[in-house]
Amino acid sequence: DTGVSQNPRHKITKRGQNVTFRCDPISEHNRLYWYRQTLGQGPEFLTYFQNEAQLEKSRLLSDRFSAERPKGSFSTLEIQRTEQGDSAMYLCASSLGGGSHTGDEQFFGPGTRLTVL
Amino acid sequence: AQSVTQLGSHVSVSEGALVLLRCNYSSSVPPYLFWYVQYPNQGLQLLLKYTSAATLVKGINGFEAEFKKSETSFHLTKPSAHMSDAAEYFCAVSGASGGSYIPTFGRGTSLIVHP
Repeated sequence: DTGVSQNPRHKITKRGQNVTFRCDPISEHNRLYWYRQTLGQGPEFLTYFQNEAQLEKSRLLSDRFSAERPKGSFSTLEIQRTEQGDSAMYLCASSLGGGSHTGDEQFFGPGTRLTVL
Repeated sequence: AQSVTQLGSHVSVSEGALVLLRCNYSSSVPPYLFWYVQYPNQGLQLLLKYTSAATLVKGINGFEAEFKKSETSFHLTKPSAHMSDAAEYFCAVSGASGGSYIPTFGRGTSLIVHP
């Protein structure tokens, strides 16, 4: 078990370009979460998958953001037409869901740091 | 609705001194509470969690936290700070029994440990 991995670790892009990030969760985990973290803030929830189904999206997730989790394995987060305000650390987490998952332990990846110039 | 307030964006202690990081929560339903630690350029790692069992929760690396419903608090403590404890610490709340299951994180407290 190598933990949650995210690629790339760093991404620098110009305003208006599209970017895509990848998250590989712990293999047996069926739940996957995306968060955004800016300097001096805690992680802010973006979206959540149970297996391949995207079950919840935050209002922070504008139309320029899209996430997928084909086959319930890895997930991608795409940002179209990036803006400078998108600069942040994007964190992925996974958990092994049972019944109620309010007490799920989430395992976080190292994050992808996005800089939009 | 649920929220977390972490008092103090920075806490500075001497090596060997008591560590106290404060967290107050707001939740309309009984909460689950978490403390995470984040080292530079890394993801978050769970230190401990409260899920309505014992009110005093012991975690990794010698940390513990006490759930106090009357004070809506879940402060994190460690008797003796080590240099390696220097990191960012986040408190989070999620709702048990029908509340929001997505955790809400506080803004974090940076722990500084000096020799």
